[in-house]
Amino acid sequence: DAGVTQSPTHLIKTRGQQVTLRCSPISGHKSVSWYQQVLGQGPQFIFQYYEKEERGRGNFPDRFSARQFPNYSSELNVNALLLGDSALYLCASSLEGGRETQYFGPGTRLLVL
Amino acid sequence: AQSVAQPEDQVNVAEGNPLTVKCTYSVSGNPYLFWYVQYPNRGLQFLLKYITGDNLVKGSYGFEAEFNKSQTSFHLKKPSALVSDSALYFCVVTDSWGKLQFGAGTQVVVTP
Repeated sequence: DAGVTQSPTHLIKTRGQQVTLRCSPISGHKSVSWYQQVLGQGPQFIFQYYEKEERGRGNFPDRFSARQFPNYSSELNVNALLLGDSALYLCASSLEGGRETQYFGPGTRLLVL
Repeated sequence: AQSVAQPEDQVNVAEGNPLTVKCTYSVSGNPYLFWYVQYPNRGLQFLLKYITGDNLVKGSYGFEAEFNKSQTSFHLKKPSALVSDSALYFCVVTDSWGKLQFGAGTQVVVTP
């Protein structure tokens, strides 16, 4: 079975631009979470979605938004990019959300110049 | 607020020797604890989790973790380390609705 997939794998943007990252969960998983991992640090929680509804949001500015589609795939959007948004963006899926095990995709590495 | 702490930035061990990666936690209520591993330029891989029950949890690739409630610890162990175990290890705690809180990570270096 395919794991969590993310696209693109790498992305280079300039300050002020907007970016959309995509995630497809493991088949049968209804919950998707997004994390940001800055170099040298552990991942930080951004959003969790379950059945197309936002279940939780981390301490990130409103420039960050996300949505989940009927097929349970998800998009993370970041507007007005800053240099500090350069990071590895990880998507994770789980069956029902909550305390279930989350399985991570390979991530999208975003570089903002 | 809940959190985990990994007191060691790096652990060095010779191949074939026992490996231990330390983690302590702070939660209100019953803890749900995980260990994940991250190889260079790759995503995070799930190793094992503790929810309730036996204090010794067995996971993938020969890893196990010991939950100690009195010491609020959840140390990761492997009886005999391999060079291929060299990676970044994260101790993780989750709240009731699935927000994962990661420790800072411990770099494991296994030398031949």
